[in-house]
Amino acid sequence: QQQVKQSPQSLIVQKGGISIINCAYENTAFDYFPWYQQFPGKGPALLIAIRPDVSEKKEGRFTISFNKSAKQFSLHIMDSQPGDSATYFCAASGYNQGGKLIFGQGTELSVKP
Amino acid sequence: GAVVSQHPSRVICKSGTSVKIECRSLDFQATTMFWYRQFPKQSLMLMATSNEGSKATYEQGVEKDKFLINHASLTLSTLTVTSAHPEDSSFYICSARDGTSGGRIGRDTQYFGPGTRLTVL
Repeated sequence: QQQVKQSPQSLIVQKGGISIINCAYENTAFDYFPWYQQFPGKGPALLIAIRPDVSEKKEGRFTISFNKSAKQFSLHIMDSQPGDSATYFCAASGYNQGGKLIFGQGTELSVKP
Repeated sequence: GAVVSQHPSRVICKSGTSVKIECRSLDFQATTMFWYRQFPKQSLMLMATSNEGSKATYEQGVEKDKFLINHASLTLSTLTVTSAHPEDSSFYICSARDGTSGGRIGRDTQYFGPGTRLTVL
């Protein structure tokens, strides 16, 4: 019940295309859903995060879509660029879990020029 | 955003020695810090959670006597890998969170350090 399942494991997108990464969770106590971007040899960087009271949040080219009833959320990267090539992790945490994040398995995104 | 630093970024040591890794929050109070371990092409594995002034809480399967964590101030946590062996070689990453209400960053927001690559020969 603590798992967050992320797909796909890897993704290849052409420059200018839309990258879509999906995550699903079971624990209905989760109330915070961040996405992190990680480049090789670096720590994860917070991209964008959402709470269950909204269905969508947009920051620049990055959008989170959230479906509470389906217990799913996704990251959309519009106008994907080669510089977006990185590993993306979704995560979830609940109010009563002391901030502990449960991470998805990661998606390796490659944007081809 | 907020900044979390780690030191050193890379360390190579001989088997049997101890290695200390520092994690600092530079522009916010870190009431909670987390230590992760990451193997190549894998997700982050939480090792332990430390709250300022309290003993760390370790995840199942993590040896607390081997991975000593100290969180003595609101800006500094340290991870000491004692008697390191080649199997301890990994990428260690810390993260920090301000769990207080009204803090500069959101209560749930967690920022990560740049990581420390440990190689044990």
